[in-house]
Amino acid sequence: KNQVEQSPQSLIILEGKNCTLQCNYTVSPFSNLRWYKQDTGRGPVSLTIMTFSENTKSNGRYTATLDADTKQSSLHITASQLSDSASYICVVSAKSGYSTLTFGKGTMLLVSP
Amino acid sequence: DGGITQSPKYLFRKEGQNVTLSCEQNLNHDAMYWYRQDPGQGLRLIYYSQIVNDFQKGDIAEGYSVSREKKESFPLTVTSAQKNPTAFYLCASSITGTSGFNEQFFGPGTRLTVL
Repeated sequence: KNQVEQSPQSLIILEGKNCTLQCNYTVSPFSNLRWYKQDTGRGPVSLTIMTFSENTKSNGRYTATLDADTKQSSLHITASQLSDSASYICVVSAKSGYSTLTFGKGTMLLVSP
Repeated sequence: DGGITQSPKYLFRKEGQNVTLSCEQNLNHDAMYWYRQDPGQGLRLIYYSQIVNDFQKGDIAEGYSVSREKKESFPLTVTSAQKNPTAFYLCASSITGTSGFNEQFFGPGTRLTVL
């Protein structure tokens, strides 16, 4: 069964600090991995997409890494801002006849002033 | 203003009533999806449609129904057969449904509460 596990479940950091969120997956055959940001009461918005051959991808203060051998990904947030407070969801896509996505439960990040 | 819209944002329903959630997109996407999100849970797929007049059940289709009469619209009906309908419902669309590389764009969601 395809699964995506995220850790920690929740995290509180001070404004300006860095943090790293983790994602482990057992999706096969692997196609790609996305990180989404979901503000409270809103729909998720894609931050990055990574394929099998990519190790690192950045989007502003967000940097995602992928280790396809260990089936792990991380999302690093640099110099956090209050607006980074949100749920971060790891989503893994399997190769199939249609787009099948497995969603993690998300990490709830709170950036405190 | 392009994108995907859902209405209403908040919806209250009495037990035993059917209710329909609206989802519209003007992105010219072929594929559309409905997800349910519960606290502390990952998104779960209810129904998806890869093309007009065609749709498929997802992982938790029981108690729900959909239609896809127009490319732009994919309404979801929550029927009285759905045992625990209180949840946050998200609609999404993608260029096609046949490639995992196509990003799914999400609407703002509808929060349904059964009283």
